[in-house]
Amino acid sequence: KAGVTQTPRYLIKTRGQQVTLSCSPISGHRSVSWYQQTPGQGLQFLFEYFSETQRNKGNFPGRFSGRQFSNSRSEMNVSTLELGDSALYLCASSAQGGWAYEQYFGPGTRLTVT
Amino acid sequence: EDKVVQSPLSLVVHEGDTVTLNCSYEVTNFRSLLWYKQEKKAPTFLFMLTSSGIEKKSGRLSSILDKKELFSILNITATQTGDSAVYLCAVEAGTGTASKLTFGTGTRLQVTL
Repeated sequence: KAGVTQTPRYLIKTRGQQVTLSCSPISGHRSVSWYQQTPGQGLQFLFEYFSETQRNKGNFPGRFSGRQFSNSRSEMNVSTLELGDSALYLCASSAQGGWAYEQYFGPGTRLTVT
Repeated sequence: EDKVVQSPLSLVVHEGDTVTLNCSYEVTNFRSLLWYKQEKKAPTFLFMLTSSGIEKKSGRLSSILDKKELFSILNITATQTGDSAVYLCAVEAGTGTASKLTFGTGTRLQVTL
């Protein structure tokens, strides 16, 4: 079974631009969660989608948004990029959603904002 | 605001040593505590704990939760160089279908020969 895939793996953007990251979960998984990881703040939860609905949301500004498609693939969008958005963005999928079930993480997208 | 604190921040041990990693938390509406191992990029799930006093075990790794004192420990016995990684603790909190996962900043473990 293929693992969680994320594209692109690396991205360089300029302040003020917007970016879209993609995550394809493990086949059959309906929940996708997104995380931001930085050296200073560690791993922070962005949001979780389950069956195309955002079910949980972390404490990030509205510039961070996401969606999930009927095939469970998810995209995350960040608008008006700031230098502080430079981070590793991880997505994770699970079969049932919620963290009572094992999450599988993708390799991440490394975003650099200049 | 929910808070998860891990200690120590980093640790260097010799192969064969036993280590104990700590995770304390302050959250509203606790649901579960999870441990992950992060070697390069993607964290891998180790344990999920929901009940106090019940030890979860997987090979040389074990973990226990104390809901009264609001902490958990992760033990690794007979450490190997392959155990070198960042160990992350996360706490799920919330009510109903709404919940949030808060991570600690991790403990970086280095196992030397």
